[in-house]
Amino acid sequence: DAKTTQPNSMESNEEEPVHLPCNHSTISGTDYIHWYRQLPSQGPEYVIHGLTSNVNNRMASLAIAEDRKSSTLILHRATLRDAAVYYCILYSPNFNKFYFGSGTKLNVKP
Amino acid sequence: DADVTQTPRNRITKTGKRIMLECSQTKGHDRMYWYRQDPGLGLRLIYYSFDVKDINKGEISDGYSVSRQAQAKFSLSLESAIPNQTALYFCATSDRTGGRDEQYFGPGTRLTVT
Repeated sequence: DAKTTQPNSMESNEEEPVHLPCNHSTISGTDYIHWYRQLPSQGPEYVIHGLTSNVNNRMASLAIAEDRKSSTLILHRATLRDAAVYYCILYSPNFNKFYFGSGTKLNVKP
Repeated sequence: DADVTQTPRNRITKTGKRIMLECSQTKGHDRMYWYRQDPGLGLRLIYYSFDVKDINKGEISDGYSVSRQAQAKFSLSLESAIPNQTALYFCATSDRTGGRDEQYFGPGTRLTVT
């Protein structure tokens, strides 16, 4: 199974950028990299995804290494509402499955 | 109104009892999923369904069964609940548009088996 490795926790100051790393050395050529986040007492919500190129949307940016064995989710200006567990997930369209890891708990300090 | 709803939101049951968790969605998606979440372990896939006639086992299907009654409804059953099935259960839906397969999650059902 495709696996991801993330730090257990990270801390950031409000209004500063946050870089959340993820390693996925066993990624296959067809696996997509997805990021979800889970706010306290809620279900996970989609943040962003990519395949090979860097991606931007209104929530975040995703930077993917050239060899695709790692990626970084970038929150450009962290707010207190961004405090959540962030999951880096490999999605295999060949097997139609998501592989969730244990995620990174982001704490945002005022 | 929420796009993905789960009932009940909380349930306490005894060992050996049969219990059903229900999921409904108004997004019109064909794909539906059941996950369980245990502390520190992220989410693990139990079962998934790509349309009404399609049911597939996930990573941890033992002790569970599902029913896809309609496009909008996907139920998870514990035939004989045991304490290690105490967990937070999430239903999700997705629409595989352009291979993106973004998943939309319900609010979760907290199940306690005593």
